[in-house]
Amino acid sequence: ETGVTQTPRHLVMGMTNKKSLKCEQHLGHNAMYWYKQSAKKPLELMFVYSLEERVENNSVPSRFSPECPNSSHLFLHLHTLQPEDSALYLCASSRITGELFFGEGSRLTVL
Amino acid sequence: GENVEQHPSTLSVQEGDSAVIKCTYSDSASNYFPWYKQELGKRPQLIIDIRSNVGEKKDQRIAVTLNKTAKHFSLHITETQPEDSAVYFCAASTNQAGTALIFGKGTTLSVSS
Repeated sequence: ETGVTQTPRHLVMGMTNKKSLKCEQHLGHNAMYWYKQSAKKPLELMFVYSLEERVENNSVPSRFSPECPNSSHLFLHLHTLQPEDSALYLCASSRITGELFFGEGSRLTVL
Repeated sequence: GENVEQHPSTLSVQEGDSAVIKCTYSDSASNYFPWYKQELGKRPQLIIDIRSNVGEKKDQRIAVTLNKTAKHFSLHITETQPEDSAVYFCAASTNQAGTALIFGKGTTLSVSS
């Protein structure tokens, strides 16, 4: 247990659905991240929050919307996704700099 | 932005042999270079890291070397064991607030007994 918890672990959704992924860290870290891991582009950075301020990867489609209400929680809101968005979504946290601690990931399948 | 290239994509060795994985990076401002190991179905976990003020770091059977001039760094695993079989990712960052690790595409290491 690394102190980073993700829910749900598995999610199946249709292209018209709206769902959210949740991440919670109990490590006292100040930065949180979303990474996408798929067979074609492993560990692709999506979003960074540092001290609750967002640093966005501009290549992420607007159908992915992050939310960081406080330094312990991070959400990824999903709407009108495409089948190619099916992947493992990994949340991570760290101090302002340094080692990333990953969650177990949320396996997303878009039908 | 930073770009990290990693080679090879797959590596097969016999138990007891050494394995070497190489990465290059593009941003000369990068100064933090970690390596993560991801076993099948599990999360990536840090195994070793190096900062730009040193050229080499060892931890038992694992070592990492860094050449800042050439902008490349390597992971060396000696006396490989079947439990070393996993995907290994290199990464780089400037290690400043608001930046994140940029990962290479990974190397799948298979150690056969």
